[in-house]
Amino acid sequence: EADIYQTPRYLVIGTGKKITLECSQTMGHDKMYWYQQDPGMELHLIHYSYGVNSTEKGDLSSESTVSRIRTEHFPLTLESARPSHTSQYLCASSAKSGQGVRDEQFFGPGTRLTVL
Amino acid sequence: KNQVEQSPQSLIILEGKNCTLQCNYTVSPFSNLRWYKQDTGRGPVSLTIMTFSENTKSNGRYTATLDADTKQSSLHITASQLSDSASYICVVSDRGSTLGRLYFGRGTQLTVWP
Repeated sequence: EADIYQTPRYLVIGTGKKITLECSQTMGHDKMYWYQQDPGMELHLIHYSYGVNSTEKGDLSSESTVSRIRTEHFPLTLESARPSHTSQYLCASSAKSGQGVRDEQFFGPGTRLTVL
Repeated sequence: KNQVEQSPQSLIILEGKNCTLQCNYTVSPFSNLRWYKQDTGRGPVSLTIMTFSENTKSNGRYTATLDADTKQSSLHITASQLSDSASYICVVSDRGSTLGRLYFGRGTQLTVWP
């Protein structure tokens, strides 16, 4: 099993609250990703990072922000949560090119977010 | 447009039976194709990976096939078990991006009944 962790696993909060979803990996991977997944739907990439101090927006527009101050840590923040943010958020990481299968992504268990 | 389509959307089988899941893709240029298993409330876990030159790959009771010419893949599950109940996701990677961009299908929800 991959060494990538997400907390909390489940979160129920009210509208307007600020939240941070945590993601950490102990594999020394350079690349990290955040995906959003609704029930029965495909994963959508919302943020990714090539390494420390690198962050980029993904294919799906998201009001969330991310930071990458340390290699192992890639938190996602929502400044003001809304019901439309209700979804499952999956974090993943992959090794730098040349250190294994180029795009082998290992996924965390996910955070199920519900905004009331 | 790069897309991954899976069928059927859902499938119910009895324990011990075999089944085959389908995946069609239009991703180009093609790098590799993976099948992931995602248990409810968990992250996806890789089952198999195939590159352009590989047309079959096995992992225990799971056997994946790839036809790069027709851009089709299948995942065959033999002697199903209750623990096989999950969503099976076909994921295709393109060769053109340094990010290693992945394109995800919506998955086939498999339910195995006793």
